[in-house]
Amino acid sequence: AQKITQTQPGMFVQEKEAVTLDCTYDTSDQSYGLFWYKQPSSGEMIFLIYQGSYDEQNATEGRYSLNFQKARKSANLVISASQLGDSAMYFCAMREGPGNQFYFGTGTSLTVIP
Amino acid sequence: DAGITQSPRYKITETGRQVTLMCHQTWSHSYMFWYRQDLGHGLRLIYYSAAADITDKGEVPDGYVVSRSKTENFPLTLESATRSQTSVYFCASSETLGLNSPLHFGNGTRLTVT
Repeated sequence: AQKITQTQPGMFVQEKEAVTLDCTYDTSDQSYGLFWYKQPSSGEMIFLIYQGSYDEQNATEGRYSLNFQKARKSANLVISASQLGDSAMYFCAMREGPGNQFYFGTGTSLTVIP
Repeated sequence: DAGITQSPRYKITETGRQVTLMCHQTWSHSYMFWYRQDLGHGLRLIYYSAAADITDKGEVPDGYVVSRSKTENFPLTLESATRSQTSVYFCASSETLGLNSPLHFGNGTRLTVT
């Protein structure tokens, strides 16, 4: 079974609008970490935001927030006030299990339309 | 703040040749990782290392060899390249194995095996 599922291969959003990128995860562990990464067309992987499984508040980093719904095992990324530079692939990841390894989703391609 | 440097950025090689991808980090992070990125698969772990001279297999280690004689370097060698190893390769490091410790990535090496 997939540990991280991103069901939206591609998304479009109007500039200045908010967008939500979906991520669900599968784990039987109580302790785990959830991460989002951005990969622009230049190829590098940029760490955006982290949420711990015991964190009661949703994580926020500037225009990024993580909508964490533990019971539903979802960790959606919300980008507010989209900018053209937000156009990129976005990967959800989870760190858990023996050795605290990372598991990545297959990514969502976001295109911001002017 | 150089971070993680991968070289070369692009490489074309022929089937059966040996090729080494280099990775150098300046943070003195203990943990280093090699991932490959393929469409539809996200990132898959090839090998990781907890310290100098300590390495272990990840999800897809066949056909690859790693070494870590110094903390800052973690080269990945394809002993006899195959077309299925055409991919983008990312080196990453992590300060700890803690659940809240993100991976920090290099810019990637795009390898084509002809």
